[in-house]
Amino acid sequence: SQTIHQWPATLVQPVGSPLSLECTVEGTSNPNLYWYRQAAGRGLQLLFYSVGIGQISSEVPQNLSASRPQDRQFILSSKKLLLSDSGFYLCAWSVTPGQPQHFGDGTRLSIL
Amino acid sequence: KQEVTQIPAALSVPEGENLVLNCSFTDSAIYNLQWFRQDPGKGLTSLLLIQSSQREQTSGRLNASLDKSSGRSTLYIAASQPGDSATYLCAVRPGNYGQNFVFGPGTRLSVLP
Repeated sequence: SQTIHQWPATLVQPVGSPLSLECTVEGTSNPNLYWYRQAAGRGLQLLFYSVGIGQISSEVPQNLSASRPQDRQFILSSKKLLLSDSGFYLCAWSVTPGQPQHFGDGTRLSIL
Repeated sequence: KQEVTQIPAALSVPEGENLVLNCSFTDSAIYNLQWFRQDPGKGLTSLLLIQSSQREQTSGRLNASLDKSSGRSTLYIAASQPGDSATYLCAVRPGNYGQNFVFGPGTRLSVLP
């Protein structure tokens, strides 16, 4: 069966520090991969999606970037974190865009 | 621009009641609609996916319906249990085959024992 892993579960970082969040999927090949952010009191916002290795699409302009160095690995990064980057970050995968999305357990990021 | 709303924002019911959660979307040109549940501090668990050509989907005590023309979907939960307490989210995938799923803000459900 397929599983999705995200780490770390929680992270506290100072403003201006770099960020790297990792997401890996097991049990499937060539998944569609997604990064979402869920800010307090707001709905989920799609940040990035990827349909294949090295293929990244950004949905909103922001301080973050994403990379997909391997088929089942999706990384969310920042060179300098802002206070507004605080939130709950969720990784998800699907077989195709028309199939159900499956989510990881999320990373709670607090910027101080 | 597609917008998704969910009513009510919060709901508290006694155990055993049947209940309905509502999801509305502004653009009826959708590809599919998915219902999720989210426990506090956790990721989302997929419940049901309805394709645009379908009217409803059922899984156990859950039944989701879709009325695309009126821009509405409902999630019916039969014989609610305390374990059903969670936030329920609906998400719409636009009909232009884009990847930008649009999520509603969720309904926070509390089932009281």
